[in-house]
Amino acid sequence: DSGVTQTPKHLITATGQRVTLRCSPRSGDLSVYWYQQSLDQGLQFLIQYYNGEERAKGNILERFSAQQFPDLHSELNLSSLELGDSALYFCASSRTSGGALETQYFGPGTRLLVL
Amino acid sequence: DAKTTQPPSMDCAEGRAANLPCNHSTISGNEYVYWYRQIHSQGPQYIIHGLKNNETNEMASLIITEDRKSSTLILPHATLRDTAVYYCIVRVHMNRDDKIIFGKGTRLHILP
Repeated sequence: DSGVTQTPKHLITATGQRVTLRCSPRSGDLSVYWYQQSLDQGLQFLIQYYNGEERAKGNILERFSAQQFPDLHSELNLSSLELGDSALYFCASSRTSGGALETQYFGPGTRLLVL
Repeated sequence: DAKTTQPPSMDCAEGRAANLPCNHSTISGNEYVYWYRQIHSQGPQYIIHGLKNNETNEMASLIITEDRKSSTLILPHATLRDTAVYYCIVRVHMNRDDKIIFGKGTRLHILP
């Protein structure tokens, strides 16, 4: 158990809909990272938040957005969903702003299926 | 793109040492070598990391060559629960953009 929690574990929805994925970092961690893992793309970094502010951006679509709240939990919002958005979405956290001296610890993931 | 090269798959007999190689020939002086593994769609699990010295923890050992162009992750006594995809990653120290770039990894099969 990494200490990172994600809800829900599974989500089934239809094309065109909007969903929100939630992540709670390990106690004391200030950074939250979001990753997407689909069958054909592997694990892809989406976005990082540090202490409420966006820190780094990866291959995140404009239909996707994220935020980190004062209590440090984070939400990833996916809108206008397409079939290709079906994937595993992982959240990770680290102690401060990141860098190679900090380990990122991953949550168990949310499996999204868009029908 | 990932800056590492790993074999796509490997087999290892249960109870034997599993040696997973990784090439990172373009690694820079401020880049660390990290290893994660992912067991069947679970979240990636941190294993070990190092800069230039060999490292050991309760899970594994990491051997980095003197020129730092390659490394080997060693699981000393592999069990069936070690069946997973193992990712070798390089990460820059004090980099503002701390996005881990995962390659395709090595799928390790532990054979009973």
